[in-house]
Amino acid sequence: NAGVTQTPKFRILKIGQSMTLQCTQDMNHNYMYWYRQDPGMGLKLIYYSVGAGITDKGEVPNGYNVSRSTTEDFPLRLELAAPSQTSVYFCASSLRTGGQYGYTFGSGTRLTVV
Amino acid sequence: AQSVTQPDIHITVSEGASLELRCNYSYGATPYLFWYVQSPGQGLQLLLKYFSGDTLVQGIKGFEAEFKRSQSSFNLRKPSVHWSDAAEYFCAVGSTGGGNKLTFGTGTQLKVEL
Repeated sequence: NAGVTQTPKFRILKIGQSMTLQCTQDMNHNYMYWYRQDPGMGLKLIYYSVGAGITDKGEVPNGYNVSRSTTEDFPLRLELAAPSQTSVYFCASSLRTGGQYGYTFGSGTRLTVV
Repeated sequence: AQSVTQPDIHITVSEGASLELRCNYSYGATPYLFWYVQSPGQGLQLLLKYFSGDTLVQGIKGFEAEFKRSQSSFNLRKPSVHWSDAAEYFCAVGSTGGGNKLTFGTGTQLKVEL
């Protein structure tokens, strides 16, 4: 049982490049979330999904896109990378409502935009 | 809107000493409260959670937290700290609407002196 798997673990992008951060969970969780973590700022919600085909914006969605075609996968897309997107990105999932039961987190993707 | 405040950015304690990390929340209804721990380069691991009932909650690794509604607090405690407890600790409050997501505090970095 792998839990929540994020790839890649590290990535350096040049300004204007695009990339997709992958997130897969094998726990059959309906709810999935993307957060970014910046020093001293805690975790900020980017996007979330309550099931396949359903996504919604979080607190800081600008510059990102998501899709949820299957229960297992919830990729995060950066179209035009900017230095402000340098951060650590965490994917999380929850079987039921995450607000009540908490999340299972992936190990993160450290992204640097130069 | 819900929010979480962790007033201490850094805390240093000696190994074997007791620990208390502070957390104050703002939420309109009965809150769902969580403490997570993050070791360097790792994802977040759930320590404990409060839904209702007994206001003193036991978690993993010898941690406990007490919910005090009158003070809007959910402080994390440990009677005797081990060097391996050095990490960053996050308090979070969960909502049951609008995506059922967690809102995190900015974290407290714990250093343990030997």
